[in-house]
Amino acid sequence: KQEVTQIPAALSVPEGENLVLNCSFTDSAIYNLQWFRQDPGKGLTSLLLIQSSQREQTSGRLNASLDKSSGRSTLYIAASQPGDSATYLCAVRGSRLTFGEGTQLTVNP
Amino acid sequence: DVKVTQSSRYLVKRTGEKVFLECVQDMDHENMFWYRQDPGLGLRLIYFSYDVKMKEKGDIPEGYSVSREKKERFSLILESASTNQTSMYLCASSLPTWGLLTDTQYFGPGTRLTVL
Repeated sequence: KQEVTQIPAALSVPEGENLVLNCSFTDSAIYNLQWFRQDPGKGLTSLLLIQSSQREQTSGRLNASLDKSSGRSTLYIAASQPGDSATYLCAVRGSRLTFGEGTQLTVNP
Repeated sequence: DVKVTQSSRYLVKRTGEKVFLECVQDMDHENMFWYRQDPGLGLRLIYFSYDVKMKEKGDIPEGYSVSREKKERFSLILESASTNQTSMYLCASSLPTWGLLTDTQYFGPGTRLTVL
């Protein structure tokens, strides 16, 4: 059974800092990996999707990497802003989508 | 833009009541999903549907049923609500996965259900 772990569970940084969120998964037989953002009390918004054949995807200040063989992905956020404060979840797509529990990010002005 | 809407943002029900949670998507997606989200447990799949009148059990279907009479609408039913069903319920939709490079799931805003 696929298990997805995200470290750290919570992170607090000053505005402007570059940061990395980590995601690991136990079964490397995946089709893709996706990073989502969730604001308090809200649904999920897709940020980036990396296919299993890809190594990374970029969108603006966000860069996600995937090392399928080692079961790891990172989400890099450059020049963080208070508006980036949210919970970030990664999800891996095997026979179905399996989610990690998320990293709660706070960016302080 | 894809829009997934859920009938209620907040709902309070009593133990034993029958509860309907409605989800509607406007992008003609074949796939629809119901998840619940709990602290320490993350998102867990309850049921999903790949087509009208079709349903498949997810990881935690006990105590729930679903209905998909129209393509755009997927309903989650709690036949007899219990306190351990207090949770955030999230609906999602997506295009079919086979033959496509991406199968992003689009999520609704969620319904926070409290069962007293």
